[in-house]
Amino acid sequence: DTGVSQDPRHKITKRGQNVTFRCDPISEHNRLYWYRQTLGQGPEFLTYFQNEAQLEKSRLLSDRFSAERPKGSFSTLEIQRTEQGDSAMYLCASSLDVFPKETQYFGPGTRLLVL
Amino acid sequence: GENVEQHPSTLSVQEGDSAVIKCTYSDSASNYFPWYKQELGKGPQLIIDIRSNVGEKKDQRIAVTLNKTAKHFSLHITETQPEDSAVYFCAASRYNQGGKLIFGQGTELSVKP
Repeated sequence: DTGVSQDPRHKITKRGQNVTFRCDPISEHNRLYWYRQTLGQGPEFLTYFQNEAQLEKSRLLSDRFSAERPKGSFSTLEIQRTEQGDSAMYLCASSLDVFPKETQYFGPGTRLLVL
Repeated sequence: GENVEQHPSTLSVQEGDSAVIKCTYSDSASNYFPWYKQELGKGPQLIIDIRSNVGEKKDQRIAVTLNKTAKHFSLHITETQPEDSAVYFCAASRYNQGGKLIFGQGTELSVKP
């Protein structure tokens, strides 16, 4: 399967702990996006990378959140000092930046539960 | 700020009937409008998309229409089948400016056999 993969698929943690999620995009895709989705809502944009450069961050992304894409391939999203409000599905998507191939393909998501 | 409104939030149809989901966007510079289908426990899957230079696009039982003046776009599913049951999301973006997607709130479609 050559789609977007995410690891882990599920994570349960206690409030105050740090968590890290990984996303592996489709191999030739140079754009990588992170979204957050809470129950019954549409995904909300968090941040995106063009190759290894982080080009935009949402106001939703507090100082406790950090994302990296060190070699322009996989990406990690870290949440420090987790809060119960961080419980959500974290989705990763990837795309090319060339018209008309800019379609974003999503991974299966990482479901986070903060107790 | 940028916003996408989607209606209805739930939609129940009989198998074989048509389903229509409508979205309105606020950012007049949006030029790319994808529709995604999300099944329980899975990530969104693209089902069809349309760009602002096109008014309508069709792919078998699925069609999308775009009215740029009114900033409306709609998804039409004909001859619905039980496997069409899922949550559908519309989205809008400026594909030549980073491409972040602004999603609607979703429509839960139920197709009854």
